[in-house]
Order: sequence, then structure tokens, then C-alpha cells
Amino acid sequence: AQTVTQSQPEMSVQEAETVTLSCTYDTSESDYYLFWYKQPPSRQMILVIRQEAYKQQNATENRFSVNFQKAAKSFSLKISDSQLGDAAMYFCAQTQGGSEKLVFGKGMKLTVNP
Amino acid sequence: DSGVTQTPKHLITATGQRVTLRCSPRSGDLSVYWYQQSLDQGLQFLIQYYNGEERAKGNILERFSAQQFPDLHSELNLSSLELGDSALYFCASSDRLAGGPGETQYFGPGTRLLVL
Repeated sequence: AQTVTQSQPEMSVQEAETVTLSCTYDTSESDYYLFWYKQPPSRQMILVIRQEAYKQQNATENRFSVNFQKAAKSFSLKISDSQLGDAAMYFCAQTQGGSEKLVFGKGMKLTVNP
Repeated sequence: DSGVTQTPKHLITATGQRVTLRCSPRSGDLSVYWYQQSLDQGLQFLIQYYNGEERAKGNILERFSAQQFPDLHSELNLSSLELGDSALYFCASSDRLAGGPGETQYFGPGTRLLVL
């Protein structure tokens, strides 16, 4: 069974600083995809970044980048130059094999302090 | 704005009742997914439809059913509601043909259901 684990329920960061959110996953498949979604207080689920498991290069989207360690089954999200608008719940998620369903971790609440 | 719309935004009803949640996917997206977000269960996949056909089923209760219509909008029907069904219900859509399992799912704003 797929499992996605976010071990830190909460984190805080100072504005303009860098923070790293951790995520580990469990899969026996070789073909899978990993995602980070952000859920601000509005409750909208917003895609932050996507990583294909077959790609060795870490995905990057502006201030957001991932550290994908395939052997360790780790998929952490780094937010650089944190902004107040980054405050949200962050969910790590995975799809694998031929299944398109997203399996989510429990989420992590990020607070950004001015 | 993801382009996925859901109605209603909020729904308050009583135990034993039946409700219908509606979702319109992004223009051109053929796949629709339903997810439930609750405090105790987190975010869980319920069901997926692709171009009118059921594609995958997750932890969906027998009291719940869904369908996708020819115009690609989808409805999630919840019946014999219980207090524990109170949750945020998301619809998401993707263009499955574009990339298969790794295709990005775009989420609607959700419908918040409160069962009293």
C-alpha cells in the first residue's frame, strides 16, 4: 500500500528565510510521481511543484525546489525567501503505477513570521 | 483560480438526508476526481471518472455515489448522511490523455458539508 509521511505537523520560518519541509513515501513501484500541494486558509488546494520519479533532476518552480532522494524515498520541499503568503498547510502526495489517485500525507502547517 | 468550479460552497443538512455536490472540470479536461478532507481521515480519494466512465474507486462508502455526464460535469451524491460525513469535499480534474498518472490534478474550491 502507498503511504506518504509528513513527520512534522508544524513549522515556522522568518520572512525572507529558507525553510525545508520533509516528506517520505513508501512504494514498490518504479513509475510514480510526487507532488507538493499548498492549502492556504481559503482551503483551496494549489499545486506547488511536481516531480517525476524517473527524472534525476530536482524540480524547481521559482522560490520552490525539491530535494528528491529516490533511494531514501524522500521528497522534501525547500521554500526560499519565505513570504507571508507562503503561510499555509502543505501536503505531500504521490501517484504510482497506472493509478491516478493522489495519496496524501497528513499535512504540515507552515507559519511565516514577519 | 484553477478553472474547476464546485457548487454549492457550503451545505448544512440533517442526519439521514441526501445531498448532491456538483463539479465542473476545467475546459477540455476529461478526468474528474472526488476527494474528501476530514479532520480524522485527512485527504482521501473517493472516486474517479474519465469521459463518463468510472475509472477508479477509493474509500467511497456505499451510501455515496457519483456520475459524470456527457458535458463532463460530475455529481457526487451522499445519502443517509451521518455526523461523520461532515467534511470538505473536493473535486479535481486533469487531462488524462496528456500524461497519464502523473498528470497534474487541478482542484476546485471545495464544498463544505456540515451534517447536524
